Amino acid sequence: AQSVTQLDSQVPVFEEAPVELRCNYSSSVSVYLFWYVQYPNQGLQLLLKYLSGSTLVESINGFEAEFNKSQTSFHLRKPSVHISDTAEYFCAVRTGGTSYGKLTFGQGTILTVHP
Amino acid sequence: DAMVIQNPRYQVTQFGKPVTLSCSQTLNHNVMYWYQQKSSQAPKLLFHYYDKDFNNEADTPDNFQSRRPNTSFCFLDIRSPGLGDAAMYLCATSNPGTAYEQYFGPGTRLTVT
Repeated sequence: AQSVTQLDSQVPVFEEAPVELRCNYSSSVSVYLFWYVQYPNQGLQLLLKYLSGSTLVESINGFEAEFNKSQTSFHLRKPSVHISDTAEYFCAVRTGGTSYGKLTFGQGTILTVHP
Repeated sequence: DAMVIQNPRYQVTQFGKPVTLSCSQTLNHNVMYWYQQKSSQAPKLLFHYYDKDFNNEADTPDNFQSRRPNTSFCFLDIRSPGLGDAAMYLCATSNPGTAYEQYFGPGTRLTVT
């Protein structure tokens, strides 16, 4: 069975500082990896995804994540955060070969950006 | 814009009174999912439809049912809500052609009094 561990439940950071949100997964087969962001009382929005190819993936708002197969990690990074990045971030994994795309989510990391 | 719509956004029901949550999509996706997300927790998959085929997660209580009358609509029925069913309910869709990337609706916040 696959599982996802987000190592930090809360990450406080000052505006314009860099941030890393850590995610490790366990799976014995090929995986597809996702980061979702959730603002208060809203649904989940896809931030970025790794399906295949380049191990470094980027979002349109400056976040990036790197798939590291040997360390089974998919950490999310941003070199300079904004107040508007304050939200909860979920890492998720989908095992290759499933017929309907079931996602397993981590417990979430609350990112709080302080002025 | 193509999207996933959930109604209502906020729902209050009484203990034991049946309630139905609605989800619709304009993406024409084959798969529709229902998740339950309790406060400060990860979303938990309740069930999904692949076209008309219903797939229940093993640990989804019998109190939760679903209907998908057509491609666009999917309903979540809670037959006898308990206080422990208060949560955010998220609907999502995906398609084999988009590598099963899931698109989420805004959610319905259910309160049980």
